[in-house]
Amino acid sequence: DARVTQTPRHKVTEMGQEVTMRCQPILGHNTVFWYRQTMMQGLELLAYFRNRAPLDDSGMPKDRFSAEMPDATLATLKIQPSEPRDSAVYFCASGPYDRGGNTIYFGEGSWLTVV
Amino acid sequence: QKEVEQDPGPLSVPEGAIVSLNCTYSNSAFQYFMWYRQYSRKGPELLMYTYSSGNKEDGRFTAQVDKSSKYISLFIRDSQPSDSATYLCAPRPTGFQKLVFGTGTRLLVSP
Repeated sequence: DARVTQTPRHKVTEMGQEVTMRCQPILGHNTVFWYRQTMMQGLELLAYFRNRAPLDDSGMPKDRFSAEMPDATLATLKIQPSEPRDSAVYFCASGPYDRGGNTIYFGEGSWLTVV
Repeated sequence: QKEVEQDPGPLSVPEGAIVSLNCTYSNSAFQYFMWYRQYSRKGPELLMYTYSSGNKEDGRFTAQVDKSSKYISLFIRDSQPSDSATYLCAPRPTGFQKLVFGTGTRLLVSP
């Protein structure tokens, strides 16, 4: 059963610390997304990649967030320095490139708390 | 104004009720209309989708799109406690995979 794998599942860190979240997309999927979910804002797109190249990171605060795909099996989202307002659930999703109705599949999320 | 608007709920119904969940959107370019279901502390999972206007049925679930009024609906017949979850609508244009999500409607089905 193919699935998107995210680590860590839970992270509590102090303000100012660096946080790195990792994602292994489903094998064969060449499009990868990072979303952030909060009660107030819902699911917000932070960045997405196709064939490892960033296509859109306009939703990401550039001064502290960075997203990369070092290879086809790994996507990373880094926050440095972290702030309490970054507390949220961060979801990675992947999908095959498709102009039609195929969709994307989400991981279980990384639950981040910054104190 | 957000691109996709959804009543956050919660919507509480008794088991067996017919449930109607709705979204409105503003972008005329949206052609695919996805519904995701998210259980507590889990990632969203695709429930069903429709293309353009019309209805689509899948078991107890029916998705309906009215592009003229930019209105999306999901109907659940014979609702079950296992349907208790947050339902998110997520439209997208053709050829563009980025999904824009509504905030989700939390549904509670009591036995």
